[in-house]
Amino acid sequence: GAVVSQHPSRVICKSGTSVKIECRSLDFQATTMFWYRQFPKQSLMLMATSNEGSKATYEQGVEKDKFLINHASLTLSTLTVTSAHPEDSSFYICSARGAGATYNEQFFGPGTRLTVL
Amino acid sequence: QKEVEQNSGPLSVPEGAIASLNCTYSDRVSQSFFWYRQYSGKSPELIMSIYSNGDKEDGRFTAQLNKASQYVSLLIRDSQPSDSATYLCAVNPNDYKLSFGAGTTVTVRA
Repeated sequence: GAVVSQHPSRVICKSGTSVKIECRSLDFQATTMFWYRQFPKQSLMLMATSNEGSKATYEQGVEKDKFLINHASLTLSTLTVTSAHPEDSSFYICSARGAGATYNEQFFGPGTRLTVL
Repeated sequence: QKEVEQNSGPLSVPEGAIASLNCTYSDRVSQSFFWYRQYSGKSPELIMSIYSNGDKEDGRFTAQLNKASQYVSLLIRDSQPSDSATYLCAVNPNDYKLSFGAGTTVTVRA
């Protein structure tokens, strides 16, 4: 149980294009999903928290107009990196917290490696 | 002071030995504590969770929690080369977010 998938696993795009990443909870309903970014040899950095049916809450310093998050259902959240630039190249990882989770454990997707040329 | 601090690595242990990982946290109201394992190039995987003071054992892993000292640890017994990874300590101080430590990289020498 508690499986989270992400798609795509890897994407290479040209500077200026937009990239959409999907995060799905496969065997549970996720009331809350989280989006993280991780640069090489650094720890996870929380970008935003999304709750189903409401606007995402962004961490300080994260541009909400650049990183668009949609959490349309209890099993799907999407992150769109708009007008991507080389400095956006990173490992993007989503996680999900199940509905009724008592202790707020998060289960991570496999991640999406974004390379912007 | 960082919310979650882990002992700096890397930690190198011989195969079969015990690897000991430490973590301290600053927010006294934290109630949930987790250890995640992250292999190079992969996403974190939840390996242990602990909520009450004391020890919790799961296979070769033992988590220890001391809320009075704001300290949580992870012991890996009979370390195997497959245990070589970065271990992240995570604490749930409020709402639904987790605060992560910077991680400790463990290398198990065959």
